Amino acid sequence: EAAVTQSPRSKVAVTGGKVTLSCHQTNNHDYMYWYRQDTGHGLRLIHYSYVADSTEKGDIPDGYKASRPSQENFSLILELASLSQTAVYFCASSDTAYSYEQYFGPGTRLTVL
Amino acid sequence: GEQVEQRPPHLSVREGDSAVIICTYTDPNSYYFFWYKQEPGAGLQLLMKVFSSTEINEGQGFTVLLNKKDKQLSLNLTAAHPGDSAVYFCAAETNSAGNKLTFGIGTRVLVRP
Repeated sequence: EAAVTQSPRSKVAVTGGKVTLSCHQTNNHDYMYWYRQDTGHGLRLIHYSYVADSTEKGDIPDGYKASRPSQENFSLILELASLSQTAVYFCASSDTAYSYEQYFGPGTRLTVL
Repeated sequence: GEQVEQRPPHLSVREGDSAVIICTYTDPNSYYFFWYKQEPGAGLQLLMKVFSSTEINEGQGFTVLLNKKDKQLSLNLTAAHPGDSAVYFCAAETNSAGNKLTFGIGTRVLVRP
């Protein structure tokens, strides 16, 4: 079965520190996404990528960078973590254009103190 | 762009009763719609993908109705059981580059014995 894994599953960071969240997929999918989940907001798209070495801004990219070094791996980088970035972060992948189904990882709970 | 309103945010039902979640979307050009289930501490699991017009799809213990005329998507949990307790999200494709989805805010369902 196709799989999306995330690491770490949980992290506590200090304000102003750098945080890197990692995602790995074995689906052989072209598209990968990073979302954040907050109560009352559902899932909001931060960055996405449709090919290695290229990333695109989603709906809420401010304060986040993304990196797609290979088809399988997609990272989310918080250069200067802030309290407002405390949330659960989900990675997802989907197949080629127009299939739309997205398959999600288990999530990373990030707490910024 | 596409906007998705989901209601209710919380739903508590007795075991054996039905539960209905409704999503209203804004973009008449959206063609694909999805229901996801999120169990505690887990990622989002795809329940069903729906397309076409005024379609009823039946899954294991639930029915999905898409009414494109009214731009509404509904999920009916029939004869709910405790294993149905979870957060449910609807999503609509945004008809834009990137295979992007717009999610509702989620409905937390509690099935009481």
